[in-house]
Amino acid sequence: DVQLVESGGDLVQPGRSLRLSCAASGFSFDDHAMHWVRQAPGKGLEWVATISWNSGNKGYVDSVKGRFTISRDNAKNTLYLQMNTLRAEDTALYHCARDINGAKPWAFDLWGQGTMVTVSS
Amino acid sequence: EIVMTQSPATLSVSPGERATLSCRASQSISINLAWYQQKPGQAPRLLIYGASTRATGIPARFSGSGSGTEFTLTISSLQSEDFAVYYCQQYNNWLPLFGPGTKVDVK
Repeated sequence: DVQLVESGGDLVQPGRSLRLSCAASGFSFDDHAMHWVRQAPGKGLEWVATISWNSGNKGYVDSVKGRFTISRDNAKNTLYLQMNTLRAEDTALYHCARDINGAKPWAFDLWGQGTMVTVSS
Repeated sequence: EIVMTQSPATLSVSPGERATLSCRASQSISINLAWYQQKPGQAPRLLIYGASTRATGIPARFSGSGSGTEFTLTISSLQSEDFAVYYCQQYNNWLPLFGPGTKVDVK
């Protein structure tokens, strides 16, 4: 099956770190740019980060710059999001998504179901 | 930074009727726009990219139009499964930002 499966979400205290993973299967992972998109409870979609097919280009929303790092391991067909210095406003369901394109953000044509991150003391 | 707005926030439509959703970009994005549908408890689904190209498996009742700063998603005859939230997203640069969404509900 063509799918993305996220994991790693948890309840963490403010200031702590967490690493999310997204396992891809059923397609050529290294042909596609990949993204993390989050959705706070009851809110809309917020793009978080993008990585190109070969990790040569990365982009982040301003609110996570310097705190979050996107990476990928094409040999393991896995996307990661290292989240440091977490804040309450980072609380959300985190989806990974596949891009139609390989090099730069385009349209996101495959989504995972998400993993929940809750930041609270 | 390009800001995306969508109108209306909520659209009440009867089954079988036509629905027209609008999306506006704060500056020109050519045709670098996608539309997504999200139902409660589900991941978003890509409907349209390139402003007017239907994604794989999307029914013909969904159509997109526009360029520059003004875009429209039209659902020609609403089916029960189409009641959902719809988001537009620009990808003209390395900040692929989403609009706030339009909820389509039953009139």
